[in-house]
Amino acid sequence: DAGVTQSPTHLIKTRGQQVTLRCSPKSGHDTVSWYQQALGQGPQFIFQYYEEEERQRGNFPDRFSGHQFPNYSSELNVNALLLGDSALYLCASSLEQGGTDTQYFGPGTRLTVL
Amino acid sequence: AQKITQTQPGMFVQEKEAVTLDCTYDTSDPSYGLFWYKQPSSGEMIFLIYQGSYDQQNATEGRYSLNFQKARKSANLVISASQLGDSAMYFCAMREETGANNLFFGTGTRLTVIP
Repeated sequence: DAGVTQSPTHLIKTRGQQVTLRCSPKSGHDTVSWYQQALGQGPQFIFQYYEEEERQRGNFPDRFSGHQFPNYSSELNVNALLLGDSALYLCASSLEQGGTDTQYFGPGTRLTVL
Repeated sequence: AQKITQTQPGMFVQEKEAVTLDCTYDTSDPSYGLFWYKQPSSGEMIFLIYQGSYDQQNATEGRYSLNFQKARKSANLVISASQLGDSAMYFCAMREETGANNLFFGTGTRLTVIP
């Protein structure tokens, strides 16, 4: 049973550039959430996708956008990169149903902005 | 106000001993879920244990148990028989069941298991 996968593992960009991060959810899951984890901090919620729509969004600017595909995989796009965007970006998947809706995380993409 | 507070930046425990990691939460939602995750140096967040606000009994998963004290709004993680592989960052998180689906995380506790 494949878990959550993310690509790439590491990425180095310069200020002003754009980046796309990818996530494939755990088998059977239909909901994808994205989190940003700055060094020494807990993850911060960016947004969540369900049925190819952004269902909920955290306190992040419009430079952060996303997409969910019919196979439930997802992309996170960040435009006009700032130094402060350097972080570990975590994708989590879950199943939209009653119960715990436990989110399972991928290994993350470490983004460095120079 | 912080929704999740973890007051222990770092903890040390002797191998084979038990350790308690503290977590307090703040919510006015009557229905919520509490989670603990482990984050090794590799970065992946590993789900450990879940406690629902209406669960009558404390959750247990193998060597992990959650000491849930609803009136005190605390959800401490107890790890029994610590192993060297338990050395990692541990995060407490909460999801409020009404409306929101995202997790609120604390700042984490770094646990070091000493041989």
